Amino acid sequence: DVKVTQSSRYLVKRTGEKVFLECVQDMDHENMFWYRQDPGLGLRLIYFSYDVKMKEKGDIPEGYSVSREKKERFSLILESASTNQTSMYLCASRTDGTASPLHFGNGTRLTVT
Amino acid sequence: KNEVEQSPQNLTAQEGEFITINCSYSVGISALHWLQQHPGGGIVSLFMLSSGKKKHGRLIATINIQEKHSSLHITASHPRDSAVYICAVSPPKPNTDKLIFGTGTRLQVFP
Repeated sequence: DVKVTQSSRYLVKRTGEKVFLECVQDMDHENMFWYRQDPGLGLRLIYFSYDVKMKEKGDIPEGYSVSREKKERFSLILESASTNQTSMYLCASRTDGTASPLHFGNGTRLTVT
Repeated sequence: KNEVEQSPQNLTAQEGEFITINCSYSVGISALHWLQQHPGGGIVSLFMLSSGKKKHGRLIATINIQEKHSSLHITASHPRDSAVYICAVSPPKPNTDKLIFGTGTRLQVFP
């Protein structure tokens, strides 16, 4: 079974802090994704990556950056956390191609105070 | 108007009931996904389909491409089916990975 592991389930940070959310997958998937999920808005794509050192902006990249130095690891970085970044963050991966399902991590609930 | 609309938003059922959740979309797609999210956050992919019908255990997913509509059915519902069910569509290439998500249907099944 594919395992997508997010490093923290709950995180509380202060405004202005630099925040790192880590995601690791164990199935050699090419594609990895970061989403945020807010009530009434559904999942929204922040960034995704097709390969090591490759990244593409999603629908809401402002205030975020990403890093993919190794194929199995995709990190989401909040350069200077703000209260409007309080949310549930979900990482996902899939193998390349249209006929492959997404595999999600358990999510990180981030609170910025 | 959202590009992916689900109905109903909330659904309660008695154990054993047959359940239908609907998803309508307004964009061209390469595939449609049904996802399940239990309390606590983790999301599981239930189905990915681009035509016809798929079945897995008590779950059945159908899609009508012409009508841009999909349904998720649960037969003989059980309290462990209580979750949020999310419909998502993959646009055609080159934007296949930019899934568009519905806001989910919250299902509660009571014993």
